[in-house]
Amino acid sequence: DQQVKQNSPSLSVQEGRISILNCDYTNSMFDYFLWYKKYPAEGPTFLISISSIKDKNEDGRFTVFLNKSAKHLSLHIVPSQPGDSAVYFCAASAAGANSKLTFGKGITLSVRP
Amino acid sequence: DAMVIQNPRYQVTQFGKPVTLSCSQTLNHNVMYWYQQKSSQAPKLLFHYYDKDFNNEADTPDNFQSRRPNTSFCFLDIRSPGLGDAAMYLCATSRDVGGGYTFGSGTRLTVV
Repeated sequence: DQQVKQNSPSLSVQEGRISILNCDYTNSMFDYFLWYKKYPAEGPTFLISISSIKDKNEDGRFTVFLNKSAKHLSLHIVPSQPGDSAVYFCAASAAGANSKLTFGKGITLSVRP
Repeated sequence: DAMVIQNPRYQVTQFGKPVTLSCSQTLNHNVMYWYQQKSSQAPKLLFHYYDKDFNNEADTPDNFQSRRPNTSFCFLDIRSPGLGDAAMYLCATSRDVGGGYTFGSGTRLTVV
């Protein structure tokens, strides 16, 4: 049973436009959420996180929004750049940050020049 | 630079022949994890060590074992690899269990 779902396997966006990557979760105990970015032949790298006490966290071009009632979060990248082309994994954990991470399948983002 | 290093990057093994994957870290993190990721699937946690304490996931097959001889090194042993064990194996570390994982580049295992 997948507790973290990234239902769209891929997304293609024009350079300069906004990329919106979605993630849904089923475990109501999850209260800490992270996004990881992965380039081919490299391991995932941490991008941005949000705890359940917030509904938005922003870091430069990256913003994560959390809708707890809908059990949904999204990552917005604006403006999108070709270097953002990668696989993006959504991950979640329970009991704050001190718990194991459960990952989604990932979304492949392609940013067209 | 402090990092997590996995060796080898690519490993080909024969069906049923034991194989060991290696992970080392210079971050001095307490926790080390092994994830298995098959194509187009989510990384799946196999087990983790908190210091010397081994924590196995309930659905990790007995075929998979792990050793952590010291803080810096952690090994994944696959006793009798099957074709279904072909995957990317990711090692990660964190200071404590949970957020702030640092991943290695992974080892892609092929079973022939």
